[in-house]
Amino acid sequence: DIQMTQSPSSVSASVGDRVTITCRASQDISYWLAWYQQKPGKAPKLLIYAVSSLQSGVPSRFSGSGSGTDFSLTISSLQPEDSATYYCQQAKSFPYTFGQGTKLEIK
Amino acid sequence: EVQLVESGGDLVKPGGSLRLSCAASGLTFRNVWMSWVRQAPGKGLEWVGLINTIAAGGTTDSAAPLKDRFTISRDDSKDTLYLQMNGLKSDDTAVYYCVTGDFRGGMLRYFDYWGQGTLVTVSS
Repeated sequence: DIQMTQSPSSVSASVGDRVTITCRASQDISYWLAWYQQKPGKAPKLLIYAVSSLQSGVPSRFSGSGSGTDFSLTISSLQPEDSATYYCQQAKSFPYTFGQGTKLEIK
Repeated sequence: EVQLVESGGDLVKPGGSLRLSCAASGLTFRNVWMSWVRQAPGKGLEWVGLINTIAAGGTTDSAAPLKDRFTISRDDSKDTLYLQMNGLKSDDTAVYYCVTGDFRGGMLRYFDYWGQGTLVTVSS
């Protein structure tokens, strides 16, 4: 199975800050990577797929980059509503696997 | 608007069985691949498995540790996805989400649409 490792596990930042979360795959997954946002008590929401394609309706302050084994999600100017847990997911091969999550708090 | 509504979650004893259902609307169900993802309390997301369309063979793929106990099926006449779970263990306690998404790269890869989830609790 492909292991997905996110860092950091948690991060605290202020409104307006630039925040980057990284995700590393245990093997080359090409561009088959997605990012999800989950708020407490809610289902996850797809933010970005295929490394950098923004899902419809997602604010442009979210962006993704990377290839192969190293990927990142960047929020260019943090907003209060971005407080959530973020997960990466590899879609290269079965079983699909997720990172362990990064909890983002607003200071 | 795509809607996925799960049902069937319950409190069940270890070793017991349960069948979850997911009623889909707002999409042409027979044309979409469907999947299940679960989340244990306070934990991360875990892919359970998926089923492709009947036209593509109706075949399934599941996480290896669950293959022997969990079965995914679909009834296109009812626009409904199922997850049959047998031999339940305490580790199976989780919210189970029904998910689907757009067809990319020849298959379901990313999960654009999620249900609200249904809670399965395995405890004596």
